[in-house]
Amino acid sequence: DTEVTQTPKHLVMGMTNKKSLKCEQHMGHRAMYWYKQKAKKPPELMFVYSYEKLSINESVPSRFSPECPNSSLLNLHLHALQPEDSALYLCASSQGQFQYFGAGTRLSVL
Amino acid sequence: QQPVQSPQAVILREGEDAVINCSSSKALYSVHWYRQKHGEAPIFLMILLKGGEQKGHDKISASFNEKKQQSSLYLTASQLSYSGTYFCGTETGMNTGFQKLVFGTGTRLLVSP
Repeated sequence: DTEVTQTPKHLVMGMTNKKSLKCEQHMGHRAMYWYKQKAKKPPELMFVYSYEKLSINESVPSRFSPECPNSSLLNLHLHALQPEDSALYLCASSQGQFQYFGAGTRLSVL
Repeated sequence: QQPVQSPQAVILREGEDAVINCSSSKALYSVHWYRQKHGEAPIFLMILLKGGEQKGHDKISASFNEKKQQSSLYLTASQLSYSGTYFCGTETGMNTGFQKLVFGTGTRLLVSP
């Protein structure tokens, strides 16, 4: 199994809502990542977890809250988002030199 | 500051060759190349490490010029399946257990029959 699975595929939320994005991998990878990708732009790193500990936070606003409950699962909790947060959110995992990406969650904030 | 890729976009006929360049303003430890089709996950193509050799498989190869902080991706005898957006991902240092990638501006490639 070489897949990174992200759910949901699409999400529409209001600015007062609380929602969560989920990412799962069963490849035994010990590093997991969240990226944000705006249309026609490259992915931008948000968070890195290594061995279930937060290793990198790229100065992401606190309305985005990551969580790594175990080595296979990564969540991104969303609260009080702004319309400019609408984007494709990609999850990735790695064990070694390169990353496997999921297909992403397309988020629209109204 | 993100690496700059050139060209921004290229259209090829099937069977033609293309070169995609990635240029960084910082000293690089590694360069990773990915291809992303619309609505799909980025797919890893290859990695080039500082001090490493030029790499390639099948009709896709890449080079890394550490002194110029540049990498190039070579696509030969292009196929329809090569269409997509190509990103270079760069690392400026080695991290233990993970990679901290900064992706380039992207190059959109369209291969037509």
